[in-house]
Amino acid sequence: LAKTTQPISMDSYEGQEVNITCSHNNIATNDYITWYQQFPSQGPRFIIQGYKTKVTNEVASLFIPADRKSSTLSLPRVSLSDTAVYYCLVGDPGTYKYIFGTGTRLKVLA
Amino acid sequence: NAGVTQTPKFRVLKTGQSMTLLCAQDMNHEYMYWYRQDPGMGLRLIHYSVGEGTTAKGEVPDGYNVSRLKKQNFLLGLESAAPSQTSVYFCASSLSGGPPPDTQYFGPGTRLTVL
Repeated sequence: LAKTTQPISMDSYEGQEVNITCSHNNIATNDYITWYQQFPSQGPRFIIQGYKTKVTNEVASLFIPADRKSSTLSLPRVSLSDTAVYYCLVGDPGTYKYIFGTGTRLKVLA
Repeated sequence: NAGVTQTPKFRVLKTGQSMTLLCAQDMNHEYMYWYRQDPGMGLRLIHYSVGEGTTAKGEVPDGYNVSRLKKQNFLLGLESAAPSQTSVYFCASSLSGGPPPDTQYFGPGTRLTVL
């Protein structure tokens, strides 16, 4: 299983773009990259998923370079409500096993 | 549509006691999962199920048993609770396993303390 490495914490101000990078040097050919968000006292919530290049949805973008050894979650114009822990997951759907890691604690300041 | 629900929300046990955590989903999902989350740590997979009547071990299965007798329910049992099992337990479900990996929908969690 590919292990992921993320910054432990980040601070940002409202309205700024936030980029959280995840390192996964041992990613396998079949692995997808998925990001989840977790608010205090709640279960994680899916944000975005990708395999290669760039993926964008209504809340975030995911950038994956050609070698796939890292990925960057981009949150445009964050607000106070984006304060949460963000997890990068790398896993092969065939094994059903995803390593959540310790995540990145994002704090958005007014 | 309630999504994923967990019962109970909180529980305090004494060492050696047993209990069962119930997870229910109303989305007709095939796959269900049990995770535990310890302070300052990410979620670790305990057991999972890819369909009614099937279960499999995850990353940290020791001390836990599970059953999936009905598609909508996934039970997590602790036969003899230990302080090391003090944690927040999350249940999740997904339509299938993929590929690509299907979104996992999480319940609100059960906070368990073992004294």
